[in-house]
Amino acid sequence: GQNIDQPTEMTATEGAIVQINCTYQTSGFNGLFWYQQHAGEAPTFLSYNVLDGLEEKGRFSSFLSRSKGYSYLLLKELQMKDSASYLCAVSDSNYQLIWGAGTKLIIKP
Amino acid sequence: ETGVTQTPRHLVMGMTNKKSLKCEQHLGHNAMYWYKQSAKKPLELMFVYSLEERVENNSVPSRFSPECPNSSHLFLHLHTLQPEDSALYLCASSQVEGGYNEQFFGPGTRLTVL
Repeated sequence: GQNIDQPTEMTATEGAIVQINCTYQTSGFNGLFWYQQHAGEAPTFLSYNVLDGLEEKGRFSSFLSRSKGYSYLLLKELQMKDSASYLCAVSDSNYQLIWGAGTKLIIKP
Repeated sequence: ETGVTQTPRHLVMGMTNKKSLKCEQHLGHNAMYWYKQSAKKPLELMFVYSLEERVENNSVPSRFSPECPNSSHLFLHLHTLQPEDSALYLCASSQVEGGYNEQFFGPGTRLTVL
């Protein structure tokens, strides 16, 4: 079967760095997406990785290792507005997105 | 308007009611999706309309019925729902080409079935 695993909840301090991990087992791989979802709002696109390595975009970076079925999202200089759920999704062999359950990130002052 | 819009934003209905959710995308995309989002569970893909072909998740009960009259509009018709159908229903669209499938989401309809 297809499976995406990520931690249910994480807590971090304002100004710090946090890493959210995602492991996957899917039928085929056509890239991995990270989305951010604030409570009561729509998920919004953060990043896309299809090749191994690190993609950096401002305070957010995303890493992929296809051989390990592993990705992480790195958030630096955390701000209170970063409190949200972070969703990992893999594009499978049919180009459909398989979603993880999301990681709720709580930022404390 | 821009992006993906959904109406209504909130809906409360009884198990014998019939209602419809509406989604409209203003992005010129060629694929639209319905997802169900329940607390602490992965997004569940219900239906896909891609290049005018419908692809569905066979586990979705027949009390949910999609309609896609054109590439910009998508409906989800609801009838004789159950309390366990209470969830956030998200619509999304994407431009399916070259294997890249970034999806753009609407704000969702929060559905409560009494």
